[in-house]
Amino acid sequence: DTEVTQTPKHLVMGMTNKKSLKCEQHMGHRAMYWYKQKAKKPPELMFVYSYEKLSINESVPSRFSPECPNSSLLNLHLHALQPEDSALYLCASSQEDRTYTGELFFGEGSRLTVL
Amino acid sequence: LAKTTQPISMDSYEGQEVNITCSHNNIATNDYITWYQQFPSQGPRFIIQGYKTKVTNEVASLFIPADRKSSTLSLPRVSLSDTAVYYCLVVYGGATNKLIFGTGTLLAVQP
Repeated sequence: DTEVTQTPKHLVMGMTNKKSLKCEQHMGHRAMYWYKQKAKKPPELMFVYSYEKLSINESVPSRFSPECPNSSLLNLHLHALQPEDSALYLCASSQEDRTYTGELFFGEGSRLTVL
Repeated sequence: LAKTTQPISMDSYEGQEVNITCSHNNIATNDYITWYQQFPSQGPRFIIQGYKTKVTNEVASLFIPADRKSSTLSLPRVSLSDTAVYYCLVVYGGATNKLIFGTGTLLAVQP
């Protein structure tokens, strides 16, 4: 199994809603990532988990809250978002020893629209 | 300041070889360069990676000159299905928090 699965594929939420994005991989990877991608722009790194511990937070606003319940799952909790947070949210994973080579496996993404 | 730049777009015809360059001025000796392909509303897909000279796999080649300030992704005999955005990704300093995607190149392949 060489897939990273993200749910939901599409999410529409109001600015007062609380929702979550989910990501799952069964490749035994120990590093997992959240990226945000706006239209016609490259992916921007948000968070990195290494061995289920948050290792990188790229100064992301607190309305985005990541969680790594176990080595296969990664969540992104969303609360009080703004319309400018609308984007494609990508989850990725890598073998720990591949982290430094940039060999990442990406999911299909969750398209988020904030009204 | 680490910066990774690419041409915004390129056009090609089916069957041609396409070369896409990526400029990465502040790259260090052991920093890796990785290339990804992305279709609309999908996640990027790994193509190839390397850190010096030339690497070849079943779908592409990667050329890295001695000064390592740039790299070139070479796609042999492109087809219509190769129409996508191509990103280089440089891992500056071997640290995950310096994983910098290039600006992306939209390759349009015509019949």
